[in-house]
Amino acid sequence: DGGITQSPKYLFRKEGQNVTLSCEQNLNHDAMYWYRQDPGQGLRLIYYSQIVNDFQKGDIAEGYSVSREKKESFPLTVTSAQKNPTAFYLCASSIYLGDSGSFGDGTRLSIL
Amino acid sequence: GENVEQHPSTLSVQEGDSAVIKCTYSDSASNYFPWYKQELGKRPQLIIDIRSNVGEKKDQRIAVTLNKTAKHFSLHITETQPEDSAVYFCAASKGRGSTLGRLYFGRGTQLTVWP
Repeated sequence: DGGITQSPKYLFRKEGQNVTLSCEQNLNHDAMYWYRQDPGQGLRLIYYSQIVNDFQKGDIAEGYSVSREKKESFPLTVTSAQKNPTAFYLCASSIYLGDSGSFGDGTRLSIL
Repeated sequence: GENVEQHPSTLSVQEGDSAVIKCTYSDSASNYFPWYKQELGKRPQLIIDIRSNVGEKKDQRIAVTLNKTAKHFSLHITETQPEDSAVYFCAASKGRGSTLGRLYFGRGTQLTVWP
């Protein structure tokens, strides 16, 4: 069954801690994305990757980092520099950059 | 970069009525316009899309229209049902494969359909 798997579903971060959100896809898509969703803010792009070993900053990249070592995987690290990390994080992928693609079920990050 | 504006932010309709959500975009080079539906606590899902070489596209009770000259596109839902209640997002991009082709999203419209 093809799709995008995000884990964990819920994540709690302590002050000063880095946390990593996992995103794996088996759709053979080249492009992958990370979005942050806050109430009333829509979907804001954090980082995106068009191809393995390449990624670009989105609109709100400060305090976040990513890697794209494998086509299937695009993990997002929320660093301690991100002062307001509480949000719903969505990973997405598409065949090509700019195509509609598919979303994962999301990870809800909260601060302890 | 592209700027996508979406209106209204909330919309309430009676079951059976029609609902219309409108989006405008700023970059005339944008040529692909998908619409997503996100139910509470779930992932956004593509419901319909349109490319700039087409003025209108319909899929059962859902239709999308595009006015390239005015740079706006709209989602039309007819004969609304309570299960249509969700947040709807519009988006725009310069199309498949372009290095500038990322999606730009509107802020979303919360549609509530009352029985």
